[in-house]
Amino acid sequence: DTGVSQDPRHKITKRGQNVTFRCDPISEHNRLYWYRQTLGQGPEFLTYFQNEAQLEKSRLLSDRFSAERPKGSFSTLEIQRTEQGDSAMYLCASSLVGFMNTEAFFGQGTRLTVV
Amino acid sequence: AQKITQTQPGMFVQEKEAVTLDCTYDTSDQSYGLFWYKQPSSGEMIFLIYQGSYDEQNATEGRYSLNFQKARKSANLVISASQLGDSAMYFCAMREGFSGNTPLVFGKGTRLSVIA
Repeated sequence: DTGVSQDPRHKITKRGQNVTFRCDPISEHNRLYWYRQTLGQGPEFLTYFQNEAQLEKSRLLSDRFSAERPKGSFSTLEIQRTEQGDSAMYLCASSLVGFMNTEAFFGQGTRLTVV
Repeated sequence: AQKITQTQPGMFVQEKEAVTLDCTYDTSDQSYGLFWYKQPSSGEMIFLIYQGSYDEQNATEGRYSLNFQKARKSANLVISASQLGDSAMYFCAMREGFSGNTPLVFGKGTRLSVIA
């Protein structure tokens, strides 16, 4: 098991461009989460999937953000018309569903810089 | 309202000494879980320890222990025999509800620096 992997690790983009990030969870995990982490803050929840269904979206997830998990395996997070305020680390995590003590396993994140 | 509060932005500890990282939480649920994660400079969040709201004993995992005081709503992480490799950000997190169906909510973290 190779753990949660995210691609790319770093992305620099110009304001107004669209970007897409990919997350590959641990293979048997049915839950997949996206978090955003800005400098000096803890991760903030964005959205999560159970299999291919998107079950919850945070108010932080503006209309410019969209996430998919088409076959219940990997997930993509797209940001359209990027703004400088989108600069952050985007973390993906996966877990098994159903137990209070189930920890989430995190990837190493994608660091986005909008210039 | 802030659900997880970590009041120590940064902490220093001498190598081989013990250190306590503070965490207080706010919830009206009777069922909840508390987690601690370590984030080294590489960025990956590493799970350290878990405490359930109904657990009567404090959780321990190797050099990590959780000082759980339910009435005070605190879940402090104790790291014994600190090592240079313990230098990292540490985050306290909570999951509310019995079924585990809610996402983790994190605090702002504490940066721990271990001094040789």
